[in-house]
Amino acid sequence: AQTVTQSQPEMSVQEAETVTLSCTYDTSENNYYLFWYKQPPSRQMILVIRQEAYKQQNATENRFSVNFQKAAKSFSLKISDSQLGDTAMYFCAFGTQGGSEKLVFGKGTKLTVNP
Amino acid sequence: DTAVSQTPKYLVTQMGNDKSIKCEQNLGHDTMYWYKQDSKKFLKIMFSYNNKELIINETVPNRFSPKSPDKAHLNLHINSLELGDSAVYFCASSRLGRLQETQYFGPGTRLLVL
Repeated sequence: AQTVTQSQPEMSVQEAETVTLSCTYDTSENNYYLFWYKQPPSRQMILVIRQEAYKQQNATENRFSVNFQKAAKSFSLKISDSQLGDTAMYFCAFGTQGGSEKLVFGKGTKLTVNP
Repeated sequence: DTAVSQTPKYLVTQMGNDKSIKCEQNLGHDTMYWYKQDSKKFLKIMFSYNNKELIINETVPNRFSPKSPDKAHLNLHINSLELGDSAVYFCASSRLGRLQETQYFGPGTRLLVL
């Protein structure tokens, strides 16, 4: 069974600083995708960033970037220049290509950005 | 314009009742999903439909029955509600149900069973 582990239940960072959220996953598959989703207090789930496993280059979206280590099955999210609006739950998710392409989520990390 | 909408936003009901949650997407997507987020924020897929056909059916009690009258709508009916059904239920959609596409989530329906 595929599992996603987020070992940091809560984290905090000062505004304008950088924070890294950890995620590890377990799979025997080769073709898969990894995702980070953000859930602010409004509850809306929003896709932050997506990484295809076959791509060696780390995905980047503005202030958000990932460090994808395929051999170590690690997929961390780096948020640069943290803003108050980044305060949210962050969920790492995994999905295997082929068959039923469903997302498996980690338990989330609650990030608080302090002024 | 809301891309994925759910009604109601909040639902408080007694144990044993039957209730429905409605979901509609105006994105023209073929695939829709239902997720359950428990009190510890753990999010798990329940069902997915592609063009009105059931694709994913996770280990969910038979009391939960999804219904897709057309590809823009996926409703969730729950019979004989139990305390453990209390959760936030999210609807989502994607174009064709492929991982390289973005899943768009609704705002969630908070269900409280008393």
